[in-house]
Amino acid sequence: GDQVEQSPSALSLHEGTGSALRCNFTTTMRAVQWFQQNSRGSLINLFYLASGTKENGRLKSTFNSKESYSTLHIRDAQLEDSGTYFCAAEAADSNYQLIWGSGTKLIIKP
Amino acid sequence: AQTIHQWPVAEIKAVGSPLSLGCTIKGKSSPNLYWYWQATGGTLQQLFYSITVGQVESVVQLNLSASRPKDDQFILSTEKLLLSHSGFYLCAWGQLSNERLFFGHGTKLSVL
Repeated sequence: GDQVEQSPSALSLHEGTGSALRCNFTTTMRAVQWFQQNSRGSLINLFYLASGTKENGRLKSTFNSKESYSTLHIRDAQLEDSGTYFCAAEAADSNYQLIWGSGTKLIIKP
Repeated sequence: AQTIHQWPVAEIKAVGSPLSLGCTIKGKSSPNLYWYWQATGGTLQQLFYSITVGQVESVVQLNLSASRPKDDQFILSTEKLLLSHSGFYLCAWGQLSNERLFFGHGTKLSVL
């Protein structure tokens, strides 16, 4: 079965609001990355976490390997935050391969 | 600063025709290199990775092959395209001590 379950699959926010995306893992992961894919298809690396929490501007991400989940929080959403967000995790027993979530399509409305 | 360049930006090809996609990394020595494929509206599927010149590991079999002829170059190819090869191909690089991946802008492939 799927080792990475990402939710929600789609999300609509008004500018200035916030929400959280989540990835649950069904196997032990040693690190997670979060990406934003923009309308041109480019993937931007937002975070790499082996544990704990990182923050960058209006984005904050947490990785809890013990409880097998990671979250990406967006606050004060802006129009340029629109896109598809993916989490991708490294399994503890795997090298050079990432397991990807199915993505969250985020639409920011004025 | 590191830069990653993919070519071509887009291709329209006939079923049964050959394909070659390229990826070049500048500003980073001995990077780990990766090829990914993405169906329209779908998630990413890792195809190949390479940790050194001349060595390529396959992750999934999609009637594609990859080669790393130089430290900074990664090539994806096939002799005979299938309709199912249509999609978006992305090249990425990472460094062993911190496997944060950085992607190129991708190549959109349409097989007709």
